[in-house]
Amino acid sequence: RKEVEQDPGPFNVPEGATVAFNCTYSNSASQSFFWYRQDCRKEPKLLMSVYSSGNEDGRFTAQLNRASQYISLLIRDSKLSDSATYLCVVNGPNSNSGYALNFGKGTSLLVTP
Amino acid sequence: ETGVTQTPRHLVMGMTNKKSLKCEQHLGHNAMYWYKQSAKKPLELMFVYNFKEQTENNSVPSRFSPECPNSSHLFLHLHTLQPEDSALYLCASSQDTSGFKQPQHFGDGTRLSIL
Repeated sequence: RKEVEQDPGPFNVPEGATVAFNCTYSNSASQSFFWYRQDCRKEPKLLMSVYSSGNEDGRFTAQLNRASQYISLLIRDSKLSDSATYLCVVNGPNSNSGYALNFGKGTSLLVTP
Repeated sequence: ETGVTQTPRHLVMGMTNKKSLKCEQHLGHNAMYWYKQSAKKPLELMFVYNFKEQTENNSVPSRFSPECPNSSHLFLHLHTLQPEDSALYLCASSQDTSGFKQPQHFGDGTRLSIL
């Protein structure tokens, strides 16, 4: 079973739409959770950390459900510039080096005019 | 503006060449990482250094040889690579490897093509 699983998409949505991405993780001992954004042929960039109580940053809302080992990202009022791949990232215990980031394959979003 | 700088941005090399990738971080972090990203695959962790000590070698072939002279610099020495090694190689850093609520910050990556 993969450590982090995401729906690869692509999600094609019109400008102004609300879109939600989901992610599940397999290691119940995971401690930290993040969403990264990766543009085509660029490096991943931290979008937001995900806190247990849920957190919001402008148009972006992240939720964590530890019982279900499930993370979500909601984007409201989509902009053309939101088009990218969104990576679900989970920091969990690793037998070798303490903790390691496990990356999902990413969910591709295309926002159209 | 990224606090993690990688050079070169692009590299084309033959299978018999020897080259090195360089990474430098200006964030005061103590942990540095090498990742490989191939098309349609998630990021694959290759190596982890924490306070200059290698703490992870994720079953990487010996044709990839990392070097970490200090907490700010990380190298990846390449020799006799194979065509399947063509990928985007990303360097990242974090405060350390304790993990709790610590995101990693990535460099722009080196896009490597093996002929």
